[in-house]
Amino acid sequence: EDQVTQSPEALRLQEGESSSLNCSYTVSGLRGLFWYRQDPGKGPEFLFTLYSAGEEKEKERLKATLTKKESFLHITAPKPEDSATYLCAVQASGGSYIPTFGRGTSLIVHP
Amino acid sequence: NAGVTQTPKFRILKIGQSMTLQCAQDMNHNYMYWYRQDPGMGLKLIYYSVGAGITDKGEVPNGYNVSRSTTEDFPLRLELAAPSQTSVYFCASSYALAGGGETQYFGPGTRLLVL
Repeated sequence: EDQVTQSPEALRLQEGESSSLNCSYTVSGLRGLFWYRQDPGKGPEFLFTLYSAGEEKEKERLKATLTKKESFLHITAPKPEDSATYLCAVQASGGSYIPTFGRGTSLIVHP
Repeated sequence: NAGVTQTPKFRILKIGQSMTLQCAQDMNHNYMYWYRQDPGMGLKLIYYSVGAGITDKGEVPNGYNVSRSTTEDFPLRLELAAPSQTSVYFCASSYALAGGGETQYFGPGTRLLVL
């Protein structure tokens, strides 16, 4: 069974204080790993897709990396507007291709 | 493009009532999904569809039904509402590619309260 574990559950940062969010996964062959951002009262919004170990993608202050067992979402010099819940999902290469989601990390950035 | 739209935004139901949550997408996506999200519990898949006329159960299908008569629409039916169905419901769609990595596009959600 595919499993996705995100840590920490919640993270509070001061503006400018860089940190990383973790997504550990167990899947029988990775087809894709996704990161989404979810603002309160809204649906998740796509950030990145990673396909293979060693791959990295960047968008503004965010950088996602991937190994064979986990992915990190690095946040560099965060701003209050980066406050949101960040969701990770994995898609296995066999079966129905339906992604499995982690529970998310709630990030609050204080000014 | 409107993307994925959901109606209603909020609804209060009495125990035992029924209702249909509407979902539509205008991106010609073949895959559509229904999730529920409870506080701190992430997204739980209820049902999904890989194309018109084809639906399948997800992780938590009990108490729900779906149909997919067109590519655009994927309504979720709640029969005999129970307090355990109080949640936020998200509809999503994606375009399945042979190479993988299908991004899901989510609607704004329907907040349902069953009393």
